[in-house]
Amino acid sequence: NAGVTQTPKFRVLKTGQSMTLLCAQDMNHEYMYWYRQDPGMGLRLIHYSVGEGTTAKGEVPDGYNVSRLKKQNFLLGLESAAPSQTSVYFCASSDGGQGRTEQFFGPGTRLTVL
Amino acid sequence: AQSVTQPDIHITVSEGASLELRCNYSYGATPYLFWYVQSPGQGLQLLLKYFSGDTLVQGIKGFEAEFKRSQSSFNLRKPSVHWSDAAEYFCAVGRSGGSNYKLTFGKGTLLTVNP
Repeated sequence: NAGVTQTPKFRVLKTGQSMTLLCAQDMNHEYMYWYRQDPGMGLRLIHYSVGEGTTAKGEVPDGYNVSRLKKQNFLLGLESAAPSQTSVYFCASSDGGQGRTEQFFGPGTRLTVL
Repeated sequence: AQSVTQPDIHITVSEGASLELRCNYSYGATPYLFWYVQSPGQGLQLLLKYFSGDTLVQGIKGFEAEFKRSQSSFNLRKPSVHWSDAAEYFCAVGRSGGSNYKLTFGKGTLLTVNP
């Protein structure tokens, strides 16, 4: 039981490049989330999903897109990376609404945009 | 809108000393409250949570927290800190009821433990 996994762990991009971050969970959770963590800012919600085939915007969605084609996977895409997107990205999942149940977090992806 | 304040950005304690990390929240109804811990280079792990009932909740690793509605606080405590407790701690608040999915995190408190 791996829990929540994220790939890649590290990535360096040049401004304007695109990439996709993959999150996978093996707990059969309905809800999945993408956060970014910046120094002194805590965690901020980018996008989330309440089930397969659904996505919704969080607090800071601009510049990101997501897809949830399979229940166990949640992809975060950057179409044209900007230095402001340099951050650590965390994926999380839960089996209930965000306000009610524990979220399980992945180990994070450290992204640097030059 | 709900919000979470962790007044202390960085706290340093000696190993074996007691610890209290402060968390204040702003929310109109009864909130769901969480404390998470993040070790260096790791993701977040849940320490404990409060939904209802007994206002003193016990968590993993010997941590406890007390919900005080009158003070809008949910402070985290540990009677004797171990060197392995050095990490960043996040308080979070979620809305109760309905289908609102917003979980708001505080900005974190970094704990340093001196030998």
